[in-house]
Parts: sequence; C-alpha cells; structure tokens
Amino acid sequence: QVNLLQSGAALVKPGASVKLSCKASGYTFTDYYIHWVKQSHGKSLEWIGYINPNSGYTNYNEKFKSKATLTVDKSTNTAYMELSRLTSEDSATYYCTRSRGRYFDFWGPGTMVTVSS
Amino acid sequence: DIQMTQSPASLSASLGETVTIECRASEDIYNGLAWYQQKPGKSPQLLIYNANSLHTGVPSRFSGSGSGTQYSLKINSLQSEDVASYFCQQYYDYPWTFGGGTKLELK
Repeated sequence: QVNLLQSGAALVKPGASVKLSCKASGYTFTDYYIHWVKQSHGKSLEWIGYINPNSGYTNYNEKFKSKATLTVDKSTNTAYMELSRLTSEDSATYYCTRSRGRYFDFWGPGTMVTVSS
Repeated sequence: DIQMTQSPASLSASLGETVTIECRASEDIYNGLAWYQQKPGKSPQLLIYNANSLHTGVPSRFSGSGSGTQYSLKINSLQSEDVASYFCQQYYDYPWTFGGGTKLELK
C-alpha cells in the first residue's frame, strides 16, 4: 500500500535551517510528483512547490522560492525539503503529498517544525 | 494568484442532515478543483477531484458540483465520522491555492 513516511518533529533555532524528509513506498516513485504543503497552526493550507522525481525539475510558489529547496534521492525513494533562515513564521506542520493529475491523492502524516530559541 | 473563498468558516449540523459547503474562485478555474477532508490531528484526504469526480473509496454521500468560479461540496445524510475540516483547492493555475477551510461539527 502507498505510504509517505515523513521525518519527525523538529525544534530549531531562529536563523537556522532544517531539512525534512519524505520516504515513499508502495508505488513507483518516479510516476508521481512530490509536493510540499504548509499548514500553520490550525489554519489553512499553502502550496510550497513540487519536484518531479524523475527529472529533478522543480516548480515553486513564488512566496517560498527563497525559503524552500526541494530535492530528491531516487536511489532511496526519498524527497527532501530544506527550509532556510527560519523565523517564527515558519513554525508549522509541513506535509509531503503526491500527484499524478493536478490534485493530491495521498498525503504523508506531516512534520511539525517549531522555531524557537 | 487565484483566491479561493470558502464558506461558511464553520458549520454545525445534526446527524442525517444534508450539508453544503461553498467555494468561490477569484477567476474561472474550469473545474480544476478538489475537495479534501481533514480530521483533527490527521493529514488531509482527497474526496473530490475535477470538481465532481469521487475519489476511490470515498462514500457516495459526498458529491461535488459547480463550474466557472462557483463550486460546492454536498454531504448527504451526515454521519458522525464526517466531523472534520474541509478544504477546497484549485489546480487550474500556479500557484495552487486552497480555501480557508470549513470546520464541520455535530449539533
């Protein structure tokens, strides 16, 4: 069965970076794009961007272009998102999710990131 | 960016009732719309795509409709397991954007 296993919660200091992971299983990794979505505490959802695991091509929401970097390791079926220069505004739950069409048909459980000194 | 305005923000309904949630796009999104259900502490799950197509395994009491800039999600015969937040999402144009969400509770 399809699974997206995300890394555990992270507590990071302001100004630091954090790299989140999303390990896919149960399907052909290169058949689906991997997207990342931000959900600030109890609020709505923001699309950060996606990566094509086959080519490494990325497409970012302009709002997150200087904040997030998406990469992928095909050998381990794992996608990564690095968030840089963290501030309190980056405290949120981050989901990885997949798409083949233009909607998200399966989501990971999310990784909570807390930015605090 | 395409703005998605969802209403109501919260909703209280009784078991067995029919519930409708609306989503309005700031421009025509040509049925490029999905609906997701998110239960407390869980990740979102796809219910509807292409405005009116039911995702595999989703109960038939859920349905989507609409066109142009106006879309709706209807839940017939509300069940206790439907207590959740619901989000619409447009994927007609980048950046993909979500509605603000509707929190559905039991009366």
